[in-house]
Amino acid sequence: GENVEQHPSTLSVQEGDSAVIKCTYSDSASNYFPWYKQELGKRPQLIIDIRSNVGEKKDQRIAVTLNKTAKHFSLHITETQPEDSAVYFCAASKGPGNQFYFGTGTSLTVIP
Amino acid sequence: GAVVSQHPSRVICKSGTSVKIECRSLDFQATTMFWYRQFPKQSLMLMATSNEGSKATYEQGVEKDKFLINHASLTLSTLTVTSAHPEDSSFYICSARGQPTIRDFFGQGTRLTVV
Repeated sequence: GENVEQHPSTLSVQEGDSAVIKCTYSDSASNYFPWYKQELGKRPQLIIDIRSNVGEKKDQRIAVTLNKTAKHFSLHITETQPEDSAVYFCAASKGPGNQFYFGTGTSLTVIP
Repeated sequence: GAVVSQHPSRVICKSGTSVKIECRSLDFQATTMFWYRQFPKQSLMLMATSNEGSKATYEQGVEKDKFLINHASLTLSTLTVTSAHPEDSSFYICSARGQPTIRDFFGQGTRLTVV
């Protein structure tokens, strides 16, 4: 099966700085990679996703990059704000009809 | 994004009793629903995959007779924790997926405490 690893497990940044979270996956058949943000005691919220036919996707302050050859993908948050503080999960999937394999999560703290 | 509603958000029950958790897709038809368990400060652990009108597929190590899943309609799946014990205390969360999208939308989760 698929194995998704996520680093770092915790990350603290100063407000306004950038944050980068990295994930690797093992199954080359995986072709869909979403990122979720989960605040304490709440549901995971999809913040951005990328399919394997593109290498980068950006949505305002959030971007995701994908390197299929190396089997890794990263979340980039620029100009971080205190409200970005949360746990972020990456996931990988082989497409419709297949389950998500989640990373272990990264607890991001943005220091005002 | 699509809306998935999960109830109850919190429940406390006595050991030996059963608890039912509902997961509803409010504005789309969910052909597949997933049930996860999440321990504090840990990732989402998939328990089972539920397809409308068919039996759920359970992950290895998950007791199907203890965690009963029903997906009777395209908008509702239920998870029943039977004969609950304190070790079943956890955060249970569902997600729903409609066709043709692959995007999954999560319910708000249920905090189960068995005393």
